[in-house]
Amino acid sequence: GAVVSQHPSWVICKSGTSVKIECRSLDFQATTMFWYRQFPKQSLMLMATSNEGSKATYEQGVEKDKFLINHASLTLSTLTVTSAHPEDSSFYICSASPLAGLYNEQFFGPGTRLTVL
Amino acid sequence: AQTVTQSQPEMSVQEAETVTLSCTYDTSESDYYLFWYKQPPSRQMILVIRQEAYKQQNATENRFSVNFQKAAKSFSLKISDSQLGDAAMYFCAYRGTDYKLSFGAGTTVTVRA
Repeated sequence: GAVVSQHPSWVICKSGTSVKIECRSLDFQATTMFWYRQFPKQSLMLMATSNEGSKATYEQGVEKDKFLINHASLTLSTLTVTSAHPEDSSFYICSASPLAGLYNEQFFGPGTRLTVL
Repeated sequence: AQTVTQSQPEMSVQEAETVTLSCTYDTSESDYYLFWYKQPPSRQMILVIRQEAYKQQNATENRFSVNFQKAAKSFSLKISDSQLGDAAMYFCAYRGTDYKLSFGAGTTVTVRA
């Protein structure tokens, strides 16, 4: 099956620093990648949708300047949390779709736990 | 965004018994996909089962089956012969023409030995 990896799996940083999270599709090309945020015992909330070679589309309420998303290749998307603060601490999950289309499955990465001190 | 409602925050089931998780959704679209995902303590999202809206036949994957009632906008998941490894959080999800997944709040399933 299709495999999506995320790096790092967990990260601890100081308040005010920036953190980059990578999402890679290992055995397929992903035209579309999605970034989600999940708080403990809560659901996944979509943050943004990224398409290779174009700007990401952010969901309402998500700060574009704080959560920078880059989808530079068909196998890599990155999420950079800029000037991180304790309230940004969360579990971040990416997913990738091989082809754009209603019936194409999203494959999920294992997630990245971010803790901001 | 579509609304997906899971009204059962927690469900408990005896090993080898059956449990049914409920899910309702709200949409005006005719073409869409519905999913059930499992999230174990590792937090890796695992696809359990999916249903195309145009298919009348309910999807089945081994011990997992759904009851899809399109008119009622209901999509329940039945886990038969429950196993200890089924313990996890289960999310119902909707995917419409914008390709985005909308998740329900989740149901935590506990399996009693």
